Amino acid sequence: KNQVEQSPQSLIILEGKNCTLQCNYTVSPFSNLRWYKQDTGRGPVSLTIMTFSENTKSNGRYTATLDADTKQSSLHITASQLSDSASYICVVTPNDYKLSFGAGTTVTVRA
Amino acid sequence: DAGVTQSPTHLIKTRGQQVTLRCSPISGHKSVSWYQQVLGQGPQFIFQYYEKEERGRGNFPDRFSARQFPNYSSELNVNALLLGDSALYLCASSPQGLHYEQYFGPGTRLTVT
Repeated sequence: KNQVEQSPQSLIILEGKNCTLQCNYTVSPFSNLRWYKQDTGRGPVSLTIMTFSENTKSNGRYTATLDADTKQSSLHITASQLSDSASYICVVTPNDYKLSFGAGTTVTVRA
Repeated sequence: DAGVTQSPTHLIKTRGQQVTLRCSPISGHKSVSWYQQVLGQGPQFIFQYYEKEERGRGNFPDRFSARQFPNYSSELNVNALLLGDSALYLCASSPQGLHYEQYFGPGTRLTVT
């Protein structure tokens, strides 16, 4: 069973709207939690990285939150743009540093 | 400064053949990791090398092997290819270990027929 579960699997939003992606994990203890953006056929690009003691981290229109008590993280995209269409992957780094990846949420932004 | 580069971009192999994928890390990065990403899934960790030594291995059979060279570039070898090995193979580099930011290359798309 995957130790990192993401939801929804996919979503479609209109340009300019906001959306929130969820990540639940069972990996414990962990060193950090990261969100990556992956365009189709390309390698993932880091958006945010948070240690277990951080609650929130922003990168432009992307804001990640972390609740280490409930083992949940979210990624909020504000004022979506067409270029936000991609897969967003949640990655948890356990203390043995063998990264655990979620399956990703595919976001499609429509004009 | 150039990012992580991988070669080839795409390749097609037949079941039972062997394949070698190559990765050049960002200049100054000493750690290289390999990941397999099957279509529709997140990447799965295969190997991590740091300073030319294997520092981590995921749940992959012995058909998968890798090495890191003195210039920190790396090769991933897969023997006796199976249809299920068809995937995007990603390489990532970091200054040191996996706890540092990972910078991914564009990947090599392997198709096994």
